[in-house]
Amino acid sequence: GQQLNQSPQSMFIQEGEDVSMNCTSSSIFNTWLWYKQEPGEGPVLLIALYKAGELTSNGRLTAQFGITRKDSFLNISASIPSDVGIYFCAGPPGSWGKLQFGAGTQVVVTP
Amino acid sequence: NAGVTQTPKFRVLKTGQSMTLLCAQDMNHEYMYWYRQDPGMGLRLIHYSVGEGTTAKGEVPDGYNVSRLKKQNFLLGLESAAPSQTSVYFCAIMRVVNTEAFFGQGTRLTVV
Repeated sequence: GQQLNQSPQSMFIQEGEDVSMNCTSSSIFNTWLWYKQEPGEGPVLLIALYKAGELTSNGRLTAQFGITRKDSFLNISASIPSDVGIYFCAGPPGSWGKLQFGAGTQVVVTP
Repeated sequence: NAGVTQTPKFRVLKTGQSMTLLCAQDMNHEYMYWYRQDPGMGLRLIHYSVGEGTTAKGEVPDGYNVSRLKKQNFLLGLESAAPSQTSVYFCAIMRVVNTEAFFGQGTRLTVV
């Protein structure tokens, strides 16, 4: 089954609020990837993390690679309506070349 | 989604019918993946390939077969479709392990 546990499952927030979500794994990951999917589209990469403790930003998005290498966090600051979508964490759980995804966090932003 | 083309985009099958989904890439990437996406389940890996002529099972391989006879194409087959295979199927490609994966637009399959 899935080895990535992502939470929360969904978030309903007001425009301007900050959003936080996280992903945990039962095994050590060497890479954490965060994707966003908009309706009718495939996921698109937002941030890639390659080192334990790494903190990386992409505009209003910030992601961190947990020091235990079993978790990762994504924050969105000052949310805007176009932040609506499903956010996924992803990574390779050991097997070379395998890429697995979490169940996703649905973000809804209201004006 | 440039560089990854999925065919067809929509399909309705009757239970027991067979079909093949095609993923074609023009980016010369080594790794190719097939996922299915169901509400609340995220993207679940069906099968993947780390190079031409090689395939491996993912999380949910039962009821599916794959082939990668040419580097640029990754085929997903359903031999005898079941209603439980109603889903949106995504193909993804990756140049080097642990780097960005590019996705196709998806194939919406309904089995009645």
